[in-house]
Amino acid sequence: EVQLLESGGGLVQPGGSLRLSCAASGFTFSSYSMTWLRHAPGKGLEWVSTINSGGGITSYADSVKGRFTVSRDNSKNTQYLQMNSLRAEDTAIYYCAKGGWDSHFDPWGQGTRVTVSS
Amino acid sequence: EIVLTQSPATLSLSPGERVTLSCRASQSVSSYLAWYQQKPGQAPRLLIYDASNRATGVPARFSGSGSGTDFTLTISSLEPEDFAVYYCQQRSNWPRTFGQGTKVEIK
Repeated sequence: EVQLLESGGGLVQPGGSLRLSCAASGFTFSSYSMTWLRHAPGKGLEWVSTINSGGGITSYADSVKGRFTVSRDNSKNTQYLQMNSLRAEDTAIYYCAKGGWDSHFDPWGQGTRVTVSS
Repeated sequence: EIVLTQSPATLSLSPGERVTLSCRASQSVSSYLAWYQQKPGQAPRLLIYDASNRATGVPARFSGSGSGTDFTLTISSLEPEDFAVYYCQQRSNWPRTFGQGTKVEIK
């Protein structure tokens, strides 16, 4: 069974940083692209970033470009999202999902909550 | 950016009714459209991928159709567990985008 477990969320002040992790199991992690998405309170779903299977190609939403960096460690079956210069509008539940480069997002993890507030 | 517009925003229905949800793209996405279901406090779940293919484990009462700019998700007979928010999403272009969602609520 495919499992994705996010961690690293929490409360951070505006301008601060957080690093999210997504630990994967149940599939050959190194063969699949991976994605981060988010769901802000009262808003719809938003795609954040996708990284290809090898980790050498990435894509970002304009809203996070230059502030967020996605990476992966295929030896640890884990993808990461380094979030810098956080803003109040980055407050959301962050999900990791399998796929995204040449497939839809399936499945999704349970999410980790990020709150940006002073 | 491809904008996906879902209609209606909310549907109030009873169990057993047939449901038709619409998703319209601002430009062609070919068949690269998915539907997701999200229940309160849960992560979204993929129901339909590439317009008309049911994801693993999705009941046969869910079906998807369409291509180009107009897509439909149909639930043939609503079950109590189907009351949720449904989102469409395209993977034709970057950035990947979602519709704003349709809430299916109990009448």
